[in-house]
Amino acid sequence: DAGVTQSPTHLIKTRGQQVTLRCSPKSGHDTVSWYQQALGQGPQFIFQYYEEEERQRGNFPDRFSGHQFPNYSSELNVNALLLGDSALYLCASRAGPLSGNTIYFGEGSWLTVV
Amino acid sequence: SQQGEEDPQALSIQEGENATMNCSYKTSINNLQWYRQNSGRGLVHLILIRSNEREKHSGRLRVTLDTSKKSSSLLITASRAADTASYFCATDDYENSGYSTLTFGKGTMLLVSP
Repeated sequence: DAGVTQSPTHLIKTRGQQVTLRCSPKSGHDTVSWYQQALGQGPQFIFQYYEEEERQRGNFPDRFSGHQFPNYSSELNVNALLLGDSALYLCASRAGPLSGNTIYFGEGSWLTVV
Repeated sequence: SQQGEEDPQALSIQEGENATMNCSYKTSINNLQWYRQNSGRGLVHLILIRSNEREKHSGRLRVTLDTSKKSSSLLITASRAADTASYFCATDDYENSGYSTLTFGKGTMLLVSP
């Protein structure tokens, strides 16, 4: 049973560029969330997708957008990249948005903006 | 914003010793989850404890929850060098927020020396 998978694992972008990160949830999970983790900090919630719609959003600007596909996989897009967007981006999944069950994380995508 | 605050920020012990990490939070919760993160990697789920539970065990791990004090502790017994990692607590408040998301602290860095 594959867990949460993310791609790419590492990437380097230039300021002003755009980036797309991808996530496949754990089998049986329909709710996907994205988190940003800066060095030395805990993960910060970006947004959550359920039934292909953004259901809740953290304190992140509109440059951060996402999408969920019918197979529950998800993408995180960041436009007009800033140096401060450099971080580990984590995807998490669970079965049901209100299940109160365990949330599983992927290995993350390391984004470096230069 | 970060809800959980782990204490201590860093902990250094010898193999075989016990390690205790504490977590405090500010608002009501439905459950609290502990995660481990090896350097630069994703989050590995350790234990979920619900708000109506006081203690849970999993192998060498013991988690307690005191909702009156808004605090939790993670005890790792007979630590091993492989336990070296950062440990995070994360609170889930889906009943009030409407959708389940995790709010993390900054974590405790545990170093276990052989």
